[in-house]
Amino acid sequence: QSVLTQPPSASGSPGQRVTISCSGSSSNIESNCVSWYQQFPATAPKLLIYRCNQRPSGVPDRFSGSKSGTSASLAISGLRSEDEAVYYCAAWDDSLSALIFGGGTKLTVL
Amino acid sequence: QVHLQESGPGLVKPSQTLSLTCTVSGGSISSGGYYWSWIRQHPGKGLEWIGYIFYSGNTKYNPSLESRLTMSEDTSKNQFSLKLSSVTAADTAVYYCARGRGSGGFDSWGQGILVTVSS
Repeated sequence: QSVLTQPPSASGSPGQRVTISCSGSSSNIESNCVSWYQQFPATAPKLLIYRCNQRPSGVPDRFSGSKSGTSASLAISGLRSEDEAVYYCAAWDDSLSALIFGGGTKLTVL
Repeated sequence: QVHLQESGPGLVKPSQTLSLTCTVSGGSISSGGYYWSWIRQHPGKGLEWIGYIFYSGNTKYNPSLESRLTMSEDTSKNQFSLKLSSVTAADTAVYYCARGRGSGGFDSWGQGILVTVSS
């Protein structure tokens, strides 16, 4: 069981806005910023969001990140079929002195 | 554009040492501001941070693996390496090397290498 809790699944129809949550604690999300990754089957993860809400160059602005207290969220607007993937959050945990990942959320585009 | 590539044996016997190397091209591991990292993914599971090494050879390991873990770098070959001792079947995973940014996040990843621990 991950220290960062994500829903195992999420879904939405093309064009819709979907939000994926990442719940943590005072020692991780509340104290440090979150990064988000997208992973397709049998491929390496790709960085979508860093420093809570910053996008690397090349990542569409349909993807956005936010944080409030001990939780963070990834929002995907204008959902597309190619967004169907597994999404992971990650944050440093001051108590564990380790980087931790959420368990991942499988996004299905209906 | 930096490129990372893992290499090493795909099969390791229980109790032996797993050794992997990550070769970096398109950027120097000696440049500051980056954390050269290892991350693994057990079959069908999520991601687990193993540790990182940064310029001047400093390391930070996941406490859950620290007693069995050694990371090193060879700046002349622009490579960094992972050694995990006393492996068991629980260490079977896809191992990724990745570049961590000082500003957060792993922005470049290798393709991953599956390492199976089995006799």
